Amino acid sequence: EVQLVQSGAEVKKPGEFLRISCKGSGYRFTSHWISWVRQMPGKGLEWMGNIDPSDSYTNYSPSFQGHVSFSVDKSLSTAYLQWGGLKASDTAIYYCARGITSMYSSGPWFDPWGQGTLVTVSS
Amino acid sequence: DIQMTQSPSSLSASVGDRVTITCRASQSISTYLNWYQHKPGEAPKVLVYSASSLQSGVPTRFSASGSGTDFSLTISGLQPEDFAIYYCQQSYKTPQTFGQGTKVEIK
Repeated sequence: EVQLVQSGAEVKKPGEFLRISCKGSGYRFTSHWISWVRQMPGKGLEWMGNIDPSDSYTNYSPSFQGHVSFSVDKSLSTAYLQWGGLKASDTAIYYCARGITSMYSSGPWFDPWGQGTLVTVSS
Repeated sequence: DIQMTQSPSSLSASVGDRVTITCRASQSISTYLNWYQHKPGEAPKVLVYSASSLQSGVPTRFSASGSGTDFSLTISGLQPEDFAIYYCQQSYKTPQTFGQGTKVEIK
């Protein structure tokens, strides 16, 4: 079974560092981009960007560029989302998702998604 | 960025009803349009990719169509497990963007 399993909920203070993880299993991890998606409380889904696990090439949405960073550890089949200095406005659920493409379809689309990691930033 | 606008933002329907959600892109995106279902406390799930291709395992009461700027998702015969939030998403151009979501509630 193809799965993405994310790390557990975090409670942090403003300014603190945080790295959350997303571990892939059941497929060749380096064959599919991983996207990160934010859902702020009561709001919709926002694409933050993605990373190619084969070479760590990244794309960041302008809305998130400079505030977060993506990385991978191929040996662990794990992708990471990291903040150098959290803000209260980073309070949200963060999802990772595997990007699927096909030569016969207009892609990519996301399947599966991780279960989400709730990040709470409060003083 | 390409703006994705869904309508309605919410709707109330009964089990067995036929419901249609529309999604409009601010510029042409060909068929680079996906639909997701999201239930509270769960991971989002892809229903449709490439505007009209039903993901494996998704019930056939779900159907979708469209190209260019206008798209729709239809649920024919709403079931209790279909009450959720539905999002469209364009993957034509980075940054990929989602619609604001349509909440399907029980009448």
